[in-house]
Amino acid sequence: QSVLTQPPSASGTPGQRVTISCSGSSSNIGSNTVNWYQQLPGTAPKLLIYSNNQRPSGVPDRFSGSKSGTSASLAISGLQSEDEADYYCAAWDDSLNGFLVFGGGTKLTVL
Amino acid sequence: EVQLVESGGGLVQPGRSLRLSCAASGFTFDDYAMHWVRQAPGKGLEWVSGISWNSGSIGYADSVKGRFTISRDNAKNSLYLQMNSLRAEDTALYYCAKATRTQIAAPIDYWGQGTLVTVSS
Repeated sequence: QSVLTQPPSASGTPGQRVTISCSGSSSNIGSNTVNWYQQLPGTAPKLLIYSNNQRPSGVPDRFSGSKSGTSASLAISGLQSEDEADYYCAAWDDSLNGFLVFGGGTKLTVL
Repeated sequence: EVQLVESGGGLVQPGRSLRLSCAASGFTFDDYAMHWVRQAPGKGLEWVSGISWNSGSIGYADSVKGRFTISRDNAKNSLYLQMNSLRAEDTALYYCAKATRTQIAAPIDYWGQGTLVTVSS
């Protein structure tokens, strides 16, 4: 059971806009920034969004992130077939001595 | 170009030990915190451990606390994970990952390709 809660699956057709939610608590999302990772099949994760809504260089502006309270969202607009992947949210948790927490992952299918 | 190359994985019996290594290049290693993150077959990402730039701050997941030890050698641009008392549930692909700043609470921005650890008799 992951500390951050994501829907296990999401889907959309090419060109559509999809959103993936990530729910946490006051000790993680509520007090720290959220990062999103994309994991294409058989590859290592790749940073997609950091500090809630910042895109690393090279990440298309079709990807955007937001945060409100103890929840965050990743939005993908103009969906493309190559966006089919697993998506993970992550945040630092200030509980105890502090630790990094991930969501359980959302498998995005492009129909 | 940032490169993180893990090694040391393999098949090991329950209760035995294994030491993973990560060779870093393409950035100033001692300017950044580093992490180990694992992924069991068909499962999601699980943080294992993190270490700050000067080893002054170290954290472990509860699932490995007391069994695993993270360390780094800044002179060798290398990160390590000593894994003792291995269990079947430790079977996973272990990723070495770089943080964006000196402290372990900073986001991870680069990942290696991983090294597979299989714990089985």
